Amino acid sequence: GAGVSQSPSNKVTEKGKDVELRCDPISGHTALYWYRQRLGQGLEFLIYFQGNSAPDKSGLPSDRFSAERTGESVSTLTIQRTQQEDSAVYLCASSLPWVSETQYFGPGTRLLVL
Amino acid sequence: GENVEQHPSTLSVQEGDSAVIKCTYSDSASNYFPWYKQELGKRPQLIIDIRSNVGEKKDQRIAVTLNKTAKHFSLHITETQPEDSAVYFCAASTASYDKVIFGPGTSLSVIP
Repeated sequence: GAGVSQSPSNKVTEKGKDVELRCDPISGHTALYWYRQRLGQGLEFLIYFQGNSAPDKSGLPSDRFSAERTGESVSTLTIQRTQQEDSAVYLCASSLPWVSETQYFGPGTRLLVL
Repeated sequence: GENVEQHPSTLSVQEGDSAVIKCTYSDSASNYFPWYKQELGKRPQLIIDIRSNVGEKKDQRIAVTLNKTAKHFSLHITETQPEDSAVYFCAASTASYDKVIFGPGTSLSVIP
């Protein structure tokens, strides 16, 4: 079946502009994660959605970052007033916790802020 | 919250030798410990995981050990091959319905 998809695959924007990144999880997966990966660095947790529970936003680095999820489907990560330090690959992952904790990652969105 | 540390940050081994990557975690309530492999330019993929009720798990050339008392867990790769070259991430989680926290990663290079 289809895996996790993300769009756009690449995004170049100017400092100060807003960007919106999209994640389509595997159908039926109730858990959805967003991570940030700077060049050569690890996976920095941003936000976690699980079913209808309130999202865990403890990883969001500033109030310029926000994320929404429609039911148990698509999620969007919005970065307002982008800064150069926001340049990174943004990875989305989904899982079905009561079956397996395995996270299935999308291909990522490579964001470059000029 | 949970904090996961990982050592070494880089590791080079000769083909055929073994590689060991070690992780520590801070939250004694953590009970699920996956390992992900990320090849250059690709997405991370799960290679093996272990739960707190098990001390060791093996899958062909890969094994993971867990010491809950010391809050340590390790990845062992035997008979390394060039295709094992990648970044490896350990992670920890307290439950199926909790977020997973990743370590900073280990870049493994297997020299032919």
